[in-house]
Amino acid sequence: DAKTTQPNSMESNEEEPVHLPCNHSTISGTDYIHWYRQLPSQGPEYVIHGLTSNVNNRMASLAIAEDRKSSTLILHRATLRDAAVYYCILRNLIQGAQKLVFGQGTRLTINP
Amino acid sequence: DTEVTQTPKHLVMGMTNKKSLKCEQHMGHRAMYWYKQKAKKPPELMFVYSYEKLSINESVPSRFSPECPNSSLLNLHLHALQPEDSALYLCASSTGLAGSPLHFGNGTRLTVT
Repeated sequence: DAKTTQPNSMESNEEEPVHLPCNHSTISGTDYIHWYRQLPSQGPEYVIHGLTSNVNNRMASLAIAEDRKSSTLILHRATLRDAAVYYCILRNLIQGAQKLVFGQGTRLTINP
Repeated sequence: DTEVTQTPKHLVMGMTNKKSLKCEQHMGHRAMYWYKQKAKKPPELMFVYSYEKLSINESVPSRFSPECPNSSLLNLHLHALQPEDSALYLCASSTGLAGSPLHFGNGTRLTVT
C-alpha cells in the first residue's frame, strides 16, 4: 500500500488559514488523494479528495503538486470546530473494492 | 448525525460471550467496511464487502466474523474475544466507484472483560 507522511501535530489560531501538508512519494497513477478528519468521539468525516487537479469544496481546498508526490489541505479560516485529527490517505482500487488505509494523521489544535 | 448507523453505541462483553455489531446505511452504497480503532491510533481496516461479497479480509482472526445479509446491512459477529480486542469498531460505506469517499458511522465502543 502506498504510504503517506504527515506531521504529528500542528497548531494554528482561530480565523487564520491552516495549511496541512502530506507527502506521498510512492503514489501510483491511479491513486486518489483523500483527506478525512476525526473529531473526538466521532467516526472519521470525509473532507475532500482529488486526483491531479486542485479541488475546492465548502469545507476546504486541496492543492496537489504537479508530480503528485505531495499535497496540502487548506482550511481557509480555521474555527475551534476544526480541531481534529486530519488524515491524508491514498485510495486505491483492489479487486473491485476500494482500500482506504489510514496513516498516523496530524492532530490540529486551534487556539482561540 | 451520520447516514451510517451503528448499534449498539457501547458494548461490554465477557470473553466467553457471543455478540454482534450492526451497521446500516440507506444511501444505496454497494461497498461496506469494518475498521477497528484503538485509543489514539488511526483506524485499521478489517474487512471490505463489495456488492454483498467479501472482497478484502486483512488477516483478521476468525473470532471476528463479518456478514452482509443485504446491500444495506453489515454485521460483525464476535465470539471468544480477548481483552486486547477492546476498541472502537467503525463501519463505513461508499458507492464503490473509483475514488468515491467513505461515509463512516460513529462506531461501537467495545469493552471485553
